[in-house]
Amino acid sequence: AQRVTQPEKLLSVFKGAPVELKCNYSYSGSPELFWYVQYSRQRLQLLLRHISRESIKGFTADLNKGETSFHLKKPFAQEEDSAMYYCALITGANNLFFGTGTRLTVIP
Amino acid sequence: NAGVTQTPKFQVLKTGQSMTLQCAQDMNHEYMSWYRQDPGMGLRLIHYSVGAGITDQGEVPNGYNVSRSTTEDFPLRLLSAAPSQTSVYFCASLGRGRGDYEQYFGPGTRLTVT
Repeated sequence: AQRVTQPEKLLSVFKGAPVELKCNYSYSGSPELFWYVQYSRQRLQLLLRHISRESIKGFTADLNKGETSFHLKKPFAQEEDSAMYYCALITGANNLFFGTGTRLTVIP
Repeated sequence: NAGVTQTPKFQVLKTGQSMTLQCAQDMNHEYMSWYRQDPGMGLRLIHYSVGAGITDQGEVPNGYNVSRSTTEDFPLRLLSAAPSQTSVYFCASLGRGRGDYEQYFGPGTRLTVT
């Protein structure tokens, strides 16, 4: 069975400080992982997918198969990064399984 | 494109009432799904569909029915609402492009069952 774990429900950092949102997964197949973000009063939207290895809004995430992790990082947090972040794993049936989410607050 | 649309945005039901949450997408996506979002639980898959006429259960299907008569529409029916179904419901459709794929989410329906 698949599982996505986000150990931190809440994370607060100061503006300009580095931020890391943790995500660990468990999946028997070849994992495909995503980070989704939900800003206040907005719909969920894709932030990053590990396949594309891109940086979006300064965020990066590297898939570490040895540690079964997909942590989201940004070197300098901005106030507009405050949001709910979800790590997700997609299965062969195209179903997304989400972690429980981390609410990031960037303190001015 | 309107993307994924959901109606209503808010709904209050009494225990035992039934209702249908509407979801539509205009991107010609084959795959559609319904999630519920609860504090501390993340998003959990209720039902999904891989194409018109085909539906299947997700993690938490009990108390919900779906149908997929067209590619565009994927309504979610609550047969007899219970307070445990108080949640925010999101519909999503799956797009494919450049070798990978992205789920597009609707704006959500906030449901309260009293």
